[in-house]
Amino acid sequence: GAVVSQHPSRVICKSGTSVKIECRSLDFQATTMFWYRQFPKKSLMLMATSNEGSKATYEQGVEKDKFLINHASLTLSTLTVTSAHPEDSSFYICSATSRGEAFFGQGTRLTVV
Amino acid sequence: GEDVEQSLFLSVREGDSSVINCTYTDSSSTYLYWYKQEPGAGLQLLTYIFSNMDMKQDQRLTVLLNKKDKHLSLRIADTQTGDSAIYFCAEFFYGNKLVFGAGTILRVKS
Repeated sequence: GAVVSQHPSRVICKSGTSVKIECRSLDFQATTMFWYRQFPKKSLMLMATSNEGSKATYEQGVEKDKFLINHASLTLSTLTVTSAHPEDSSFYICSATSRGEAFFGQGTRLTVV
Repeated sequence: GEDVEQSLFLSVREGDSSVINCTYTDSSSTYLYWYKQEPGAGLQLLTYIFSNMDMKQDQRLTVLLNKKDKHLSLRIADTQTGDSAIYFCAEFFYGNKLVFGAGTILRVKS
């Protein structure tokens, strides 16, 4: 099946700094990618839909200026958590669809200290 | 709106069958998925079923879909300790939107 690669898998950053997470579709082109956030023992919540060449579509309650999404090419979307705070610590997962099937990255564990 | 619900926890003995249930509210989805998540890892697609099917079997996995009751289930035959994980059901809608349930923690006792 198709492969989605997410990097880094783990990151620890200081409060107030910014962190960039990359999501790549390795063997297919993805005009749309999705960013999810998972809280401990809870489901995945869709944060935003990343559209290649245009602005991302954010779900209600997600701060656009805090979670910057850039989808500059058909194989790469990035999520930048700006001015990170401890409450941003979470597991972030990206996904891309190919022929009707969704494929997920390995996830990024962000810890803000 | 779209809402997907699952029971939170299931414990079974090794070798028994596991049945994980899921209910949903919006029946306009095109596919329904089952994902497995092991600790600290991403999601692994286990199986899926088209919304116009009633049943799908894939080795040890059997998916049943009752559209009238908006109920989806995943049966794992001969459950092994390696099956211990969190299982998510999800609906896939036109426009590539996925809505997940909260996940069911499956614990397999040896």
